[in-house]
Amino acid sequence: KQEVTQIPAALSVPEGENLVLNCSFTDSAIYNLQWFRQDPGKGLTSLLLIQSSQREQTSGRLNASLDKSSGRSTLYIAASQPGDSATYLCAVITDSWGKLQFGAGTQVVVTP
Amino acid sequence: NAGVTQTPKFRILKIGQSMTLQCTQDMNHNYMYWYRQDPGMGLKLIYYSVGAGITDKGEVPNGYNVSRSTTEDFPLRLELAAPSQTSVYFCASDPGTSGGRTQYFGPGTRLLVL
Repeated sequence: KQEVTQIPAALSVPEGENLVLNCSFTDSAIYNLQWFRQDPGKGLTSLLLIQSSQREQTSGRLNASLDKSSGRSTLYIAASQPGDSATYLCAVITDSWGKLQFGAGTQVVVTP
Repeated sequence: NAGVTQTPKFRILKIGQSMTLQCTQDMNHNYMYWYRQDPGMGLKLIYYSVGAGITDKGEVPNGYNVSRSTTEDFPLRLELAAPSQTSVYFCASDPGTSGGRTQYFGPGTRLLVL
């Protein structure tokens, strides 16, 4: 059974520092991996999608890497801002039905 | 486009009551999903559908039912509500194309069972 783990559960950094968020999964047979952002009391917003054949994806200050063989993905957020404060969730798709398997998330606080 | 919409936003139920959570998407997506999120946890899949008339169970289906009579709508039915069903419920959809498929989420329904 696929298990998705995110460490740490919470993270606090001063504004301007780079953020590094980790996601690990136990079964390397994934279709793709997706990073989401969740603001308190809100739904999920997709940040980056990495297909299983890709090693990384970039969007603005965000960069996500994928190492299927070791079962790891890392989300980098450069030059963090207070507006980056949110919970970040990673999820993997392991079948053609598109069902997402989520980690518990990392709660990020960026202090001014 | 409205994307994925969910109603109601918040509801309090008494134990044993029933209710239907509504989900509608206007993107003509074939695939739709219901997830629940408990405090401090990731989302868990309840049910999913790959098209009108086709549904299947996810990881935590007990106590729930779904139907999919149209492409747009995917309601989730709670029968005999229990305190364990207190959670935030998210509906999502995706186009079902191979490769870089992205799921789009609704804003969620917060349910409290007392």
